[in-house]
Amino acid sequence: DTAVSQTPKYLVTQMGNDKSIKCEQNLGHDTMYWYKQDSKKFLKIMFSYNNKELIINETVPNRFSPKSPDKAHLNLHINSLELGDSAVYFCASTLGGRRVDEQYFGPGTRLTVT
Amino acid sequence: GNSVTQMEGPVTLSEEAFLTINCTYTATGYPSLFWYVQYPGEGLQLLLKATKADDKGSNKGFEATYRKETTSFHLEKGSVQVSDSAVYFCALRGNNYQLIWGAGTKLIIKP
Repeated sequence: DTAVSQTPKYLVTQMGNDKSIKCEQNLGHDTMYWYKQDSKKFLKIMFSYNNKELIINETVPNRFSPKSPDKAHLNLHINSLELGDSAVYFCASTLGGRRVDEQYFGPGTRLTVT
Repeated sequence: GNSVTQMEGPVTLSEEAFLTINCTYTATGYPSLFWYVQYPGEGLQLLLKATKADDKGSNKGFEATYRKETTSFHLEKGSVQVSDSAVYFCALRGNNYQLIWGAGTKLIIKP
């Protein structure tokens, strides 16, 4: 059973398009995250939701909009895609609220903008 | 503020060599410390952790000891295998739902 799943795994699209990435976790966790990993493997947190409430909103372009319909899902919508958005996007989840401990990561979505 | 500094990679070793990947941190108090591993094409997964000073975390032959005197949490393994080739991330528990991540160290093991 997959603990944290993301769809799609690969996404190739053209500049200017709008796309969404979906994430689901079946661990019963109450906190979920979106990370961006660049080509040098640097991991940057983008957003986090706790019990469907946005709690971390790092400095990212407002073309990126997260949505959490329920505790088990956190989706990422990206408008007007740009070349610099090409990266691997990871969803993660954790149990424990403010005292975050182990985070469980999805397999990643490799986004390529041409 | 809190931060994590890792040695820059890539680190290239031969099979059965001894591995050390350095990690130092800056933090208020004594937060939990973690090592995560990312195998090629996969997400990150927890390798080991230590929750207080002098604790030693261990898993899959890897070890790291929480040293508050040197603010370090270096990752070690006595004999690496080709299958250990991956990117290794050091992290600490920050405030407000976050982990604070190092930049990652790529490890390449040659047969």
